[in-house]
Amino acid sequence: EAGVVQSPRYKIIEKKQPVAFWCNPISGHNTLYWYLQNLGQGPELLIRYENEEAVDDSQLPKDRFSAERLKGVDSTLKIQPAELGDSAVYLCASSMGQGGWHNEQFFGPGTRLTVL
Amino acid sequence: GDSVTQMEGPVTLSEEAFLTINCTYTATGYPSLFWYVQYPGEGLQLLLKATKADDKGSNKGFEATYRKETTSFHLEKGSVQVSDSAVYFCALSESQGGSEKLVFGKGTKLTVNP
Repeated sequence: EAGVVQSPRYKIIEKKQPVAFWCNPISGHNTLYWYLQNLGQGPELLIRYENEEAVDDSQLPKDRFSAERLKGVDSTLKIQPAELGDSAVYLCASSMGQGGWHNEQFFGPGTRLTVL
Repeated sequence: GDSVTQMEGPVTLSEEAFLTINCTYTATGYPSLFWYVQYPGEGLQLLLKATKADDKGSNKGFEATYRKETTSFHLEKGSVQVSDSAVYFCALSESQGGSEKLVFGKGTKLTVNP
């Protein structure tokens, strides 16, 4: 079974440029998460989707970050414009859905963003 | 809010040494607790978990016991191998299964030398 797929794996951009990251969750997983991982830190949740609905976006900096999950499958996270401080790894994860004792989150390999 | 504190790294051990990585948490309710591992160049993988007090999670020789009285979830392994070299993250979730957000510690980098 394929895991969570993210692309690109690496991205280098100039500050003030836009950038987008793509995530394809595990088939059948209704819940999708975007996390931000700064160097030397643990991941922090940016946004969580249940199907198409963003149910927790309280940590998403909405002035420059946006996300969408059309049709409740793939998701895109966008930054416009990027700032130097956005350099980090952006992780996508998915899980089967709410409830249950074995609702593990599965993580993709991440996209490493460098803003110059 | 909820938080996780784990021991500062990096940790360097010789093969077959005993490993302990300390983790304590602060939560308003009764969280589920997790250890994730990140091998070089790979994504985070769930190593083990415990969903209620006194539960012991175990996998690949690693163990951790949910201690509510000390709000701790320390990771242990009796004999580490070179292949255990990775970054280990302690995490909690207020939901029973972890379907809501995970709150992570900063991670502890482990290097095991032959």
